[in-house]
Amino acid sequence: AQKITQTQPGMFVQEKEAVTLDCTYDTSDQSYGLFWYKQPSSGEMIFLIYQGSYDEQNATEGRYSLNFQKARKSANLVISASQLGDSAMYFCAMRERKDDKIIFGKGTRLHILP
Amino acid sequence: DVKVTQSSRYLVKRTGEKVFLECVQDMDHENMFWYRQDPGLGLRLIYFSYDVKMKEKGDIPEGYSVSREKKERFSLILESASTNQTSMYLCASVGGGANTEAFFGQGTRLTVV
Repeated sequence: AQKITQTQPGMFVQEKEAVTLDCTYDTSDQSYGLFWYKQPSSGEMIFLIYQGSYDEQNATEGRYSLNFQKARKSANLVISASQLGDSAMYFCAMRERKDDKIIFGKGTRLHILP
Repeated sequence: DVKVTQSSRYLVKRTGEKVFLECVQDMDHENMFWYRQDPGLGLRLIYFSYDVKMKEKGDIPEGYSVSREKKERFSLILESASTNQTSMYLCASVGGGANTEAFFGQGTRLTVV
C-alpha cells in the first residue's frame, strides 16, 4: 500500500498566486516526520520544510508553510506568492520512527506561468 | 558545508555487467539510503543502512545489493545490469532523530545498453 500519496501529477499556476500541493500519508506509528523537497530541472534535491507528528503548530519557512492536519493524515505544502523559480518537481516524504526509513511520494510537477 | 558525493554523474554500462555506484558522506550520519527515480514513479527506496555492515531492503531490492564497510561509504551494486535498471540513482544520508532532513547526492544517471 502506498504510504505517501500525491494526487496532483502536474499543476499550472499564475505567477504571484498562492499554491497548495497535496500530500496524504499512511502510518500506524505515533512518531514520524514529514518533509517536502524541491527538485528543479538541475536534478538536485532541496529540502524545504519539516513537520513533526507531535508539533502542534504548522511549520513555516519563508514563503513555504505546511498545512498539517493530523486526523486527516494530510500534510499539504503551501507556497505563497509564487515565483517563476518555483517551477520544479515537489516531493512529499515521511520518516517513521520505528524503522527510520524515508519514503517519498510520486511527486507533483509545478509550472509557474508568467 | 555538508556533502553527499556520488562517484559518477553519468554512467553507461552493458547488459550483464556488474555495476558499482558509490556514495560518500562527510557528516558522520548513521543512516544512508539508495533510491531510484523514474518519471511518474517518484523516488523508490532500494536499500538503506542504519549502521556499518547493517542493511535493510527497501521497496524494490530485486536485482540490487549493497555494501557498507565504513560509516561514510554506501555502495549500490547491480550484480548483472539489465536495461530495466536504466534510471537515475540517488543516494541520501541522514542523522539520528525523526526531525532531521536527508541530504542527497547529485545523482547518477545510469544507462544500461
